[in-house]
Amino acid sequence: KQEVTQIPAALSVPEGENLVLNCSFTDSAIYNLQWFRQDPGKGLTSLLLIQSSQREQTSGRLNASLDKSSGRSTLYIAASQPGDSATYLCAVTVNNQGGKLIFGQGTELSVKP
Amino acid sequence: GAVVSQHPSWVICKSGTSVKIECRSLDFQATTMFWYRQFPKQSLMLMATSNEGSKATYEQGVEKDKFLINHASLTLSTLTVTSAHPEDSSFYICSATGTGETQYFGPGTRLLVL
Repeated sequence: KQEVTQIPAALSVPEGENLVLNCSFTDSAIYNLQWFRQDPGKGLTSLLLIQSSQREQTSGRLNASLDKSSGRSTLYIAASQPGDSATYLCAVTVNNQGGKLIFGQGTELSVKP
Repeated sequence: GAVVSQHPSWVICKSGTSVKIECRSLDFQATTMFWYRQFPKQSLMLMATSNEGSKATYEQGVEKDKFLINHASLTLSTLTVTSAHPEDSSFYICSATGTGETQYFGPGTRLLVL
């Protein structure tokens, strides 16, 4: 059974700091991995999607890496801003299960001005 | 593009009543829709997967008679929480896929059962 774990559960950093969020998954047979942002009481915004054959994806100040063999992904946020404060979720799409997403518990990020 | 809406955004109901939540794909045809539930400070848990015109596939532990899902058209799926109880209070989020594998998420519906 696929399980997704995110560390840390919460993180507080001063503005301007670079930071890394971690995600691990138990079964390497994934179709892709996604990072999402969720603001309090809101839905999900997709940030980055990495196909299983890819190693990383970049969008602006965000960079996500994927090491499928070791079951790990990281989300790197450069020069953090207070507007980055949110919960970040990673999720894997399981092979041959109709696009089913398995989510981690999320990392709650707070960027202090 | 690829916008998914949910209605209502929040609902308060009395214990024992039924509540219907709508999920619509506004600018694409959703061949598959997913329903998730999220408790406070917890992650999203998939409840069921529905394909247009067919019965939903429920995840283990989700009562199909309590959480009725209807995917009657390519742009609309509904989740009905029947005989709701306080433990059903949660944040319900739907997502939809079109021709690709990317899931587009709705803004969520917060349900509070008194």
